[in-house]
Amino acid sequence: KQEVTQIPAALSVPEGENLVLNCSFTDSAIYNLQWFRQDPGKGLTSLLLIQSSQREQTSGRLNASLDKSSGRSTLYIAASQPGDSATYLCAVPFMDSNYQLIWGAGTKLIIKP
Amino acid sequence: DTAVSQTPKYLVTQMGNDKSIKCEQNLGHDTMYWYKQDSKKFLKIMFSYNNKELIINETVPNRFSPKSPDKAHLNLHINSLELGDSAVYFCASSPVEDRDQAFFGQGTRLTVV
Repeated sequence: KQEVTQIPAALSVPEGENLVLNCSFTDSAIYNLQWFRQDPGKGLTSLLLIQSSQREQTSGRLNASLDKSSGRSTLYIAASQPGDSATYLCAVPFMDSNYQLIWGAGTKLIIKP
Repeated sequence: DTAVSQTPKYLVTQMGNDKSIKCEQNLGHDTMYWYKQDSKKFLKIMFSYNNKELIINETVPNRFSPKSPDKAHLNLHINSLELGDSAVYFCASSPVEDRDQAFFGQGTRLTVV
């Protein structure tokens, strides 16, 4: 069964810290991996997409890495800010899933001022 | 300008009722989706439409019936609501040439009492 797991489920850190969110997936045959941000009442916003041939992607203070062989991705957030507080989800379309996204349960991040 | 909009944002209804959730996108995308996010925060695809035609229909009770009057709209009608239908439902759209670029609505929180 293809699954996506995110650890930790919740994380609370003081403002300014660098932090890492983890995503693991059970099958290395993937098209890509995406990180999303979910804000209450505001839907989902795509943050970064890493193609299966790539190792990492960067956008501002965010850096996402992908290690297909170990089935892992990390989302690194530098110099965290209270505005980063949200739930972060990773999603993976496995190659034999008709391109359906399989989602992790998310990491709820709270940045304390 | 909201790219993908869902109405209503919140819906509380009694068991056995029939309700609809509307979704509209103004991005000119050909593909639209409905996802269900359960209490454990997992998102699962329910339906996918491409140019008003159903292309993905996951194992969803036939009480759920999507309707696409045109490619900018994908409404979700639910008959005989059950307690287990309580969840957040997300609509999304993407261009057919880039399935990775999915834009999500803000979600509809359905509570069945």
